[in-house]
Amino acid sequence: KAGVTQTPRYLIKTRGQQVTLSCSPISGHRSVSWYQQTPGQGLQFLFEYFSETQRNKGNFPGRFSGRQFSNSRSEMNVSTLELGDSALYLCASSSGGNEKLFFGSGTQLSVL
Amino acid sequence: GEDVEQSLFLSVREGDSSVINCTYTDSSSTYLYWYKQEPGAGLQLLTYIFSNMDMKQDQRLTVLLNKKDKHLSLRIADTQTGDSAIYFCAERGTGANNLFFGTGTRLTVIP
Repeated sequence: KAGVTQTPRYLIKTRGQQVTLSCSPISGHRSVSWYQQTPGQGLQFLFEYFSETQRNKGNFPGRFSGRQFSNSRSEMNVSTLELGDSALYLCASSSGGNEKLFFGSGTQLSVL
Repeated sequence: GEDVEQSLFLSVREGDSSVINCTYTDSSSTYLYWYKQEPGAGLQLLTYIFSNMDMKQDQRLTVLLNKKDKHLSLRIADTQTGDSAIYFCAERGTGANNLFFGTGTRLTVIP
C-alpha cells in the first residue's frame, strides 16, 4: 500500500509569489491535514480536510488556504509569500475516525 | 493552548536503553503519540497510546503514561545506531486530527 505522497519535494520561490503544494493520501483515507515545520516554531497545525470540507483550522493567516478533491487528494496554497513561510510542509492522512495519522516526506519550501 | 515539552538532546551508547520524556498540559487528550524523524524525511509513526491506558509495549518500544502527572515516556530497548533521529511526542487535541507536537528530542546513539 503506497504511503502519503507529497509533491514537489523541493520548491524555491521569491517573496510575493504564490505556491501550491500537493498531497495524495493513503488509498482509502478521507482525512488530510497539513502541518508546517520550522526550526523556530516547530510543528504547527495548519488545517484538516475531510470529504472535501475543512473540518479544523489552526492559527495561520488567510494567505494559507487549502482544498480537497473528491478523490481525497489535497492541495494547499500560500499566497503573497513571505520569508518566514520558508518551512517543511507536511501532509498527513488518516481514515477520518482512526487515531493513526500517517505523514508524507514533506515539501521543503524556500522563500528568497 | 496546549503545551507539550520535551528535553532537546539525549545521548546513549549502542545496546543501552533510551528513555525519552514528554510532559503535556491538556488533560482532555485522547491519544498520545511518538513519531520519529530522520534527516530530510517526514514523520514516522512509532506508536501511540490511548489516554485510559498506562502502558503499551511494541517490540523494543515501551510507552508509559502517567495521566495524573501528564507525563509520557518512550523507552527504546537495545538502542541501535539506526535509532539516531529526532523523536516527537504529540497529543491529540479536541479537533478531529489536530495534533500538538513537542519540540522534539534529538537522540544520538554512540557506537
